[in-house]
Amino acid sequence: GEDVEQSLFLSVREGDSSVINCTYTDSSSTYLYWYKQEPGAGLQLLTYIFSNMDMKQDQRLTVLLNKKDKHLSLRIADTQTGDSAIYFCAESPYSGGGADGLTFGKGTHLIIQP
Amino acid sequence: GAVVSQHPSWVICKSGTSVKIECRSLDFQATTMFWYRQFPKQSLMLMATSNEGSKATYEQGVEKDKFLINHASLTLSTLTVTSAHPEDSSFYICSAREPTSPDTQYFGPGTRLTVL
Repeated sequence: GEDVEQSLFLSVREGDSSVINCTYTDSSSTYLYWYKQEPGAGLQLLTYIFSNMDMKQDQRLTVLLNKKDKHLSLRIADTQTGDSAIYFCAESPYSGGGADGLTFGKGTHLIIQP
Repeated sequence: GAVVSQHPSWVICKSGTSVKIECRSLDFQATTMFWYRQFPKQSLMLMATSNEGSKATYEQGVEKDKFLINHASLTLSTLTVTSAHPEDSSFYICSAREPTSPDTQYFGPGTRLTVL
């Protein structure tokens, strides 16, 4: 079955860039997502990338996709204390004809050092 | 972006009772909603896919008679945990597919269930 892997923790200094990595196994993944979860809260969609794209940038967020290596990364520029949260990578095989739940990684806890 | 609400946000119940959790899409119609379960410090696990007007599709290992799902309208899906036991204590999160944004799921804030 599908599998999505992430490292569990990442610690960065405030103001530095954070890079959160994710690998997945399902080669039919069509959409890949990054969600943010703050303590006790639901998931906030940060960004998503279609599988035929290599990169997507949205303000401080940059998503890189290496489809050959099945590797996805999220770069947060100028990391702030408000970025402290758990970041989930997720994938979907959605091809336009059905409705599929997402497969999530275990989440990376981003810790910001002052 | 699209807004999804859940009610209640937290619930404590006695073992053996049933609990209903509501998931609503507030500003869009969702033909498909999903129910996930998240254990502490774990990832979200898909439980079932809920399609408006038809029976839900359950993931392997999820008991359909224990977790009853009803999707009676385009803006409301309910999850009922029947005869709840302490091992059912978890964070239940729903999501709704926003049809004009291909495969974009918007998540509710979650419901914390504690079974005593």
